[in-house]
Amino acid sequence: QMQMVQSGPEVKKPGTSVKVSCKASGFTFSSSAVQWVRQARGQRLEWIGGIVIGSGKTDYAQKFQERVSITRDMSTNTAHLNLSSLRSDDTAVYYCASGYFYSHTWGQGTLVTVSS
Amino acid sequence: DIVMTQSPDFLAVSLGERATINCKSSQTVLDSSTKKNSLAWYQQRAGQPPTLLIYWASTRESGVPDRFSGSGSGTDFTLTISSLQAEDVAVYYCQQFYSSPQTFGQGTRLEIK
Repeated sequence: QMQMVQSGPEVKKPGTSVKVSCKASGFTFSSSAVQWVRQARGQRLEWIGGIVIGSGKTDYAQKFQERVSITRDMSTNTAHLNLSSLRSDDTAVYYCASGYFYSHTWGQGTLVTVSS
Repeated sequence: DIVMTQSPDFLAVSLGERATINCKSSQTVLDSSTKKNSLAWYQQRAGQPPTLLIYWASTRESGVPDRFSGSGSGTDFTLTISSLQAEDVAVYYCQQFYSSPQTFGQGTRLEIK
């Protein structure tokens, strides 16, 4: 059974960084891609970026280009999202999802709260 | 960026009746070489992550009930639920993956009348 399990909720101060992890199981991680999508309360889904696991190639939305980094660890079947220079409007639920284009399997979501 | 616009924002349908949700893209998402539309539909129940319903505009994901169907091409797409069930109460999103960044519609909230 394909599954993506994310790390727990985070509370961060403005200007700091957050790292969200996503552990995959039930499929061949090295042959997949992982996307990161966020959703602020009551808002639409917003794509942040993605990574092709085998090659490590990344693609980021221009909006996040200067402060996002997506990495992977194939030894632990885990993908990571790093977002820096946090602002209050980064408060959202962050999801990882498997798939190159459309996403078959989603993590449960990680609430990141940015507050002073 | 390709802008995805859904209509209506809110829809109330009686149990057993048909529900239709529309999605329009600001530019075509049809790949002329593959003849495939890079369009997906997701269902998001309250407090849950999205789940994939339809991809390539009309291919139903494994395990999705056949009352869900997708149609359309180019810039205009439709998600149809042929006979609404109580468990279909959710917000529905379309997504284009034709070009980066992939983008989503604003969502359509579906409730029981």
